[in-house]
Amino acid sequence: QKEVEQNSGPLSVPEGAIASLNCTYSDRVSQSFFWYRQYSGKSPELIMSIYSNGDKEDGRFTAQLNKASQYVSLLIRDSQPSDSATYLCAVLSGSARQLTFGSGTQLTVLP
Amino acid sequence: DAGVIQSPRHEVTEMGQEVTLRCKPISGHNSLFWYRQTMMRGLELLIYFNNNVPIDDSGMPEDRFSAKMPNASFSTLKIQPSEPRDSAVYFCASSLQEGTDTQYFGPGTRLTVL
Repeated sequence: QKEVEQNSGPLSVPEGAIASLNCTYSDRVSQSFFWYRQYSGKSPELIMSIYSNGDKEDGRFTAQLNKASQYVSLLIRDSQPSDSATYLCAVLSGSARQLTFGSGTQLTVLP
Repeated sequence: DAGVIQSPRHEVTEMGQEVTLRCKPISGHNSLFWYRQTMMRGLELLIYFNNNVPIDDSGMPEDRFSAKMPNASFSTLKIQPSEPRDSAVYFCASSLQEGTDTQYFGPGTRLTVL
């Protein structure tokens, strides 16, 4: 079983809709959680980090963490075509001091 | 401020040749990470350094791969001999310190081994 799993996608949403991206992780003592965005042919860039249960909002982005369910999600409100990219979930596990990445979910926002 | 710098951006080589990838982390960052990204395996951590010392190289696929960080501003990833299955995009990332700090990725080196 992979340590970090994401819904496989690809995911398509119309412009203005809410895009929901999901991620589960296997290490119960994981401490920190990150969402990276990667445009085609580019490098990953951090868009959100979350460390405690609940919601964290930043502009159109909301990260949600539920440690009991080992689940983290990213909501993108009012999706724009410029949000079309692959979104990578990354988890910092309790025992290791480095990130483990999911395989990514490709999001396409249709104009 | 300059971000993470990698060179070369593209490398095409023939099987059996030695390949050296280079990385300059962001000034002041203490941790440096080498990743490999392929369609099949996604983004994989190969090795990371903290204060120029290799901390975890368990992701290095085999002895053909080696990495060094002789000083705080330079690191290399070497593949010798290279094989077609090494074809991938190799990213270098740095962070202020290991742990929760954000990792900043370089532009990557696209390696093709023929």
